[in-house]
Amino acid sequence: EDKVVQSPLSLVVHEGDTVTLNCSYEVTNFRSLLWYKQEKKAPTFLFMLTSSGIEKKSGRLSSILDKKELFSILNITATQTGDSAIYLCAPNTGTASKLTFGTGTRLQVTL
Amino acid sequence: DTGVSQDPRHKITKRGQNVTFRCDPISEHNRLYWYRQTLGQGPEFLTYFQNEAQLEKSRLLSDRFSAERPKGSFSTLEIQRTEQGDSAMYLCASSFPPSGTYNEQFFGPGTRLTVL
Repeated sequence: EDKVVQSPLSLVVHEGDTVTLNCSYEVTNFRSLLWYKQEKKAPTFLFMLTSSGIEKKSGRLSSILDKKELFSILNITATQTGDSAIYLCAPNTGTASKLTFGTGTRLQVTL
Repeated sequence: DTGVSQDPRHKITKRGQNVTFRCDPISEHNRLYWYRQTLGQGPEFLTYFQNEAQLEKSRLLSDRFSAERPKGSFSTLEIQRTEQGDSAMYLCASSFPPSGTYNEQFFGPGTRLTVL
């Protein structure tokens, strides 16, 4: 059975801090790994990673994949209160390219 | 708004009733997915369509659940004889991967089902 584990489950930081969110996976027919941000609504897409060692960057967010060790990290620098959300990682697997989500990391950024 | 839309956004029903949800994907997207999300969990895959063909169903999808995408555009998800354990957010997502590649799935706002 496919398995995705995210850590930490929950995190509270002060505005301006840097955070690292972890995602490890054991899945069959791996295609890519996606990161989503979920506030009080549907997940919104952040990154898709297909190759090991190549960092994807968007503003203060960056992510990298290690296909040998089966994990990915999402970094957020200079956090802002608007970064408060649940961050979900999801390997994309099989011919259906379905997503298998972890339980997410709940990030709270305080002033 | 050209994103994925879902209707209704909220549904409250009594145990034993049937409910039907609708999803309209982004217009050129040929792949459509249904997921279910319960409190404190990530979304779980239910089923997937490529055009009008339902190509994969999760074991989570009991025989009380049925999904259709009759013309390869919008999709419906019906739950018969609802149970309290069906209470969840039902999310629809769509994608249009270029041949031989994989790309992101865009999610709709979801339908929150409460079974009393």
